[in-house]
Amino acid sequence: DSGVTQTPKHLITATGQRVTLRCSPRSGDLSVYWYQQSLDQGLQFLIQYYNGEERAKGNILERFSAQQFPDLHSELNLSSLELGDSALYFCASSVSPETGELFFGEGSRLTVL
Amino acid sequence: AQKITQTQPGMFVQEKEAVTLDCTYDTSDPSYGLFWYKQPSSGEMIFLIYQGSYDQQNATEGRYSLNFQKARKSANLVISASQLGDSAMYFCAMREGLRSGAGSYQLTFGKGTKLSVIP
Repeated sequence: DSGVTQTPKHLITATGQRVTLRCSPRSGDLSVYWYQQSLDQGLQFLIQYYNGEERAKGNILERFSAQQFPDLHSELNLSSLELGDSALYFCASSVSPETGELFFGEGSRLTVL
Repeated sequence: AQKITQTQPGMFVQEKEAVTLDCTYDTSDPSYGLFWYKQPSSGEMIFLIYQGSYDQQNATEGRYSLNFQKARKSANLVISASQLGDSAMYFCAMREGLRSGAGSYQLTFGKGTKLSVIP
């Protein structure tokens, strides 16, 4: 158990819909990262928050947005969903960029029909 | 150019044997970190081992060791005494700009190697 909690574990929805994925980082970790894993693109970095502020942005679509709340949990919002958004979405956390470990949650598997 | 290259889509190893999973990387940043993660069929990403670019010795964690050859830009994972539970996808990843102070921790992942351990 990495200590990073993601909900829901599985989600099935239809094209055009909007979903919210939730992540609670490990206790004490200030940074939250979102990654998308799909068959064709592999693991792609989406976005990072550090202590409530956006710190780095990767290949995140404009239809997607995220935020980190004062209690450090984070939400990833995916809207106007398309079939190609079906993927495993990981949240990860770390306490410091100087450490070697990035702790991943178990992922949220999104299926868009 | 690919930043992380894992040339072995799939590997087989006999139980109790050692296996090496290849990873080459491309960066011009002098300060970087290399990671290996394991992803079993259940989906979670499990951290295995880390090597910093300035580390003098190769990293080891139990049955896992990292064969770091800086000049060749390779960071191969060696698993000794393979177990059936080692069957999984293995991902090599890199983080650049370790000393930039920007606080980012973006990892770039390779495509992965699927390891199957045969009884």
